[in-house]
This record gives sequence, C-alpha cells and structure tokens, in this order.
Amino acid sequence: GAVVSQHPSRVICKSGTSVKIECRSLDFQATTMFWYRQFPKKSLMLMATSNEGSKATYEQGVEKDKFLINHASLTLSTLTVTSAHPEDSSFYICSAREEYSNQPQHFGDGTRLSIL
Amino acid sequence: DAKTTQPTSMDCAEGRAANLPCNHSTISGNEYVYWYRQIHSQGPQYIIHGLKNNETNEMASLIITEDRKSSTLILPHATLRDTAVYYCIVRDDKIIFGKGTRLHILP
Repeated sequence: GAVVSQHPSRVICKSGTSVKIECRSLDFQATTMFWYRQFPKKSLMLMATSNEGSKATYEQGVEKDKFLINHASLTLSTLTVTSAHPEDSSFYICSAREEYSNQPQHFGDGTRLSIL
Repeated sequence: DAKTTQPTSMDCAEGRAANLPCNHSTISGNEYVYWYRQIHSQGPQYIIHGLKNNETNEMASLIITEDRKSSTLILPHATLRDTAVYYCIVRDDKIIFGKGTRLHILP
C-alpha cells in the first residue's frame, strides 16, 4: 500500500534553533501534501497545504514565516520550524495524497519536536 | 470545521464486533466518507472509504445509509490492538479532523 515516510521521528533541540522535517511519498507521486500539528490529547490541526512547484497555502492563524514549507518535487515536502521556541514543541504529522481526488490521504508516523 | 459527528468514546469487548457510528448530514453528492484511526503517538492510519455503496476490506466494513447522511464502521472481531481514536472524515480538498471516537477494547 501507499507509504509516507517522515523524518526525523524525534527531535530535541535548544531554543532558537531551526528544525527541518522531511515528508516523502515512497511509492506514489503526490502533487499535494499536508502538514498537521497535534497537541497532547487533542485532534490533528491542519497547518498548511503544500503544492508541488508553488507556494503553500496556510490555514488561518499559522505563521508562514515561522513554518516554512517547500514542496520541490512530487515526492518530497519539507517543513522548517524557524527559530523554534518551547511553545513550538508538538507532534508534527505530514500526509500525502495520490493524484486522483478520491484516493485516500496517507500519513507519516509524525515527528515529535521538543524545544528546550 | 469538521463535517461529521461521532460519539466521544465507546467500549467494546475483545472478540466482538465494534460498530462505530458517524453522522454526516451535510454531505454533498460527490463527497466520499473516509475512516482513519490513530493509535497513540502514531500518525493516522487509513482504514476504508466509500461513496454510497457498502465497502469491505481486510480491516473493516463500511456501511453507508441510503441517504448518505450517516455511516457505520465495523471492526468484525475487535482485538486489543484496535484501541485507538477513530476519525470519520467527509473530505473536501483537504482533511479536517474532528474529535473522533476513542474506542476502548476491553479484555
């Protein structure tokens, strides 16, 4: 079945560091990828939609300068948390959708980011 | 906002069928119903999806009412590993998650 790989699975770093998270679709081409954020005991919150070759579309309240998204190829999207602070600590999850609109989105296993 | 309504939590005995309901009364004609689940500290796992016909795969069955305003996910023989939060999604161009149903499988 379709597989989405997310890397790294866990990051611990100091405040002020920028952190990059990669999301790859391993066996299909994804023109659209999505980035979510999840706080403990809460549901996933959509942050942005990443479109290959164009700018990402951010949800209301998500700072585009804080969360940089690049979707340079049909199999790779990256999320960079710039100048991370403790309040950015969270579980970040990406997903990718196959080309045809009724195909399901497949999710990565998430990245747990801890900012000290 | 999520377009679906699900019970907050449910219990099911191990080995029995787990039936998880979902209301999606505002679904439009070309929108599919998707079910995902999230086991603790993992990314959501796709289970099944359908448009109007009932569907079955190796994980579950999906029963959609004739008016498409509600559906039921059936896990035929629940095991402890099925303990998770189950999300019923009516997808537009992107998935917006509601609160889902927290399913507890009881030994």
